[in-house]
Amino acid sequence: GEDVEQSLFLSVREGDSSVINCTYTDSSSTYLYWYKQEPGAGLQLLTYIFSNMDMKQDQRLTVLLNKKDKHLSLRIADTQTGDSAIYFCAENSGNTGKLIFGQGTTLQVKP
Amino acid sequence: SAVISQKPSRDICQRGTSLTIQCQVDSQVTMMFWYRQQPGQSLTLIATANQGSEATYESGFVIDKFPISRPNLTFSTLTVSNMSPEDSSIYLCSVELDGRQPQHFGDGTRLSIL
Repeated sequence: GEDVEQSLFLSVREGDSSVINCTYTDSSSTYLYWYKQEPGAGLQLLTYIFSNMDMKQDQRLTVLLNKKDKHLSLRIADTQTGDSAIYFCAENSGNTGKLIFGQGTTLQVKP
Repeated sequence: SAVISQKPSRDICQRGTSLTIQCQVDSQVTMMFWYRQQPGQSLTLIATANQGSEATYESGFVIDKFPISRPNLTFSTLTVSNMSPEDSSIYLCSVELDGRQPQHFGDGTRLSIL
């Protein structure tokens, strides 16, 4: 079945770049997403990429997609303490609207 | 993007009772979904709320436990029935605008069962 895998934890220093990685299994996914969840909050859509794209850049965020390896990454440039949160990778399943989420990566930003 | 309001934002309930969670959107949307996030876990889809018909449930979720209504294109409810401590989770509503991705989420309902 569909599966999305992420590393569970990443720690960086303020000002450094953060790279969060994700692998997925459903090759029919049309879109892949990154969501951010701060403590006590819901999910905030950060960015998404269409499956026929290799890269998408949005201010400090860069998404890279390697469709052959089914690998997605999110790079956050100049990471700030306000970026500390859990980041979820998700794929849509068979274009049904159902999202399959990874376990989430906790990003810790040290001053 | 749409503004999604969920009520209540949190609740503490007694075992065996039921709670209905509301999801209100400020514009008409084609698709509405309900997800569960158990403590320290990722999100799992409970069901797709279909306007004017029965919801489509994912494997492991049943209508008797999680009845869902969607009377129109801007509103849906999820009821968690006969609650037990294992139902303590965050329940989140999400929407898709006019069939186009991506999905946006409400702030969730944090539910604790004693």
